[in-house]
Order: sequence, then structure tokens, then C-alpha cells
Amino acid sequence: EVQLVESGGGLVKPGGSLRLSCAASGFTFSSYSMNWVRQAPGKGLEWVSSISSSSSYIYYADSVKGRFTISRDNAKNSLYLQMNSLRAEDTAVYYCARDLVGGNSGDYWGQGTLVTVSS
Amino acid sequence: EIVMTQSPATLSVSPGERATLSCRASQSVSSNLAWYQQKPGQAPRLLIYGASTRATGIPARFSGSGSGTEFTLTISSLQSEDFAVYYCQQYNNWTWTFGQGTKVEIK
Repeated sequence: EVQLVESGGGLVKPGGSLRLSCAASGFTFSSYSMNWVRQAPGKGLEWVSSISSSSSYIYYADSVKGRFTISRDNAKNSLYLQMNSLRAEDTAVYYCARDLVGGNSGDYWGQGTLVTVSS
Repeated sequence: EIVMTQSPATLSVSPGERATLSCRASQSVSSNLAWYQQKPGQAPRLLIYGASTRATGIPARFSGSGSGTEFTLTISSLQSEDFAVYYCQQYNNWTWTFGQGTKVEIK
């Protein structure tokens, strides 16, 4: 069974940093591109970042470029999101999502981890 | 940036009726379009990818159509578990963009 479990969320002050993790199981993690998607309270979905299976290709939304860094450790079946210079508008539930091969969409999602940026 | 616009924002439907949701792209996305269902407190669930292919385990009452800039998600006969928010998502050059969502509520 495919499972994605996010962790690392919490309360952080504006300008602070946080590192999110996503532990993957039930599939060959190293064969899939992965994504981070966030959802502000009561709002819609916003794609944040993508990373290819071997980390060769990395992309970011303009809203986080230069502040967030996506990475992965295929040996540990884990995906990460390092978030620096956090702002109030980064407050959201952050989901990791597996990229559907050939489908250009997320076929499995974690349950999400809440990041709150507030003083 | 490609902008995705969904309509209507809210759709009131009685159980057993058909629901038709629309999604428009600001420029052509070919068939790189997916639909998701999200219920309160849950992660999104992939329903349709490639504009018209049902994801694994998705009931046949869900169907997708369209290409280019105009897309439709049809739920042929709404069941109680189908009342939720639905999002479309396009893929272009390794980036995703979501529509703002359509809430399907009980009439």
C-alpha cells in the first residue's frame, strides 16, 4: 500500500525556517517524481515545488522561489522541503504528492502537515 | 503563467442527478488536465488525468472530457459521498496550476 506521511510542521515566527519531511513507503520511491502542494486555511490548492526521481530537475512556484528548497534522499525514501524566510502568507497545510507516471498529476497524497507563520 | 478558471463556484444538486463542472485554461494545455475531489479535512483524491482517463478505483459515474482550453467533469448520478470540492489542475513545463475549485453541495 502506497503511503506518504508528512511531518515537521508547526508554529514559526515570520522570517523563521522550517524543514518538512515526507516519508514514503509501499512503492519504489526512487522511480517517481515528487511534489509539494499547499493549501491555505479555507483556500484552494497551490503547487509549490517538484523534483524528478534522480533530483536532476527541480522546479518552484514563483511565490517560493529563492526561499524554499526541495530535496530527496532515495536511500531513505524521503522527500524534504526546506522553508526559509517564512511569511504569514506561507501559512498552509503542506501535502506531498507522488507524480503519476505519464499522467502529470498527483496520484497519491499524504495527509498533510500544518505550517503556521505568526508572531 | 496559465490560469485555470472553474465554474460555477458552487453547484447545488440533488442526489441521483447529474452534475457538470467546467474548467477553462487561459491558454491551451492540450490534454494535460486532471480533476481532484477533496472532502473536508482530507487530502485531494485524483479522479481523472489526461483529461479523460479515470484514475485507479474511480467509479464509472465520473467522466472527464475536453482538450485545449475547455474541460468538463461530469458526475452522472450523484451519490451522497460525492458532495465535496472539485479542483482541476493543468500541467505545463513541470509546473502545476489549480483552479479555484467548485463546491458540489446537496440541494
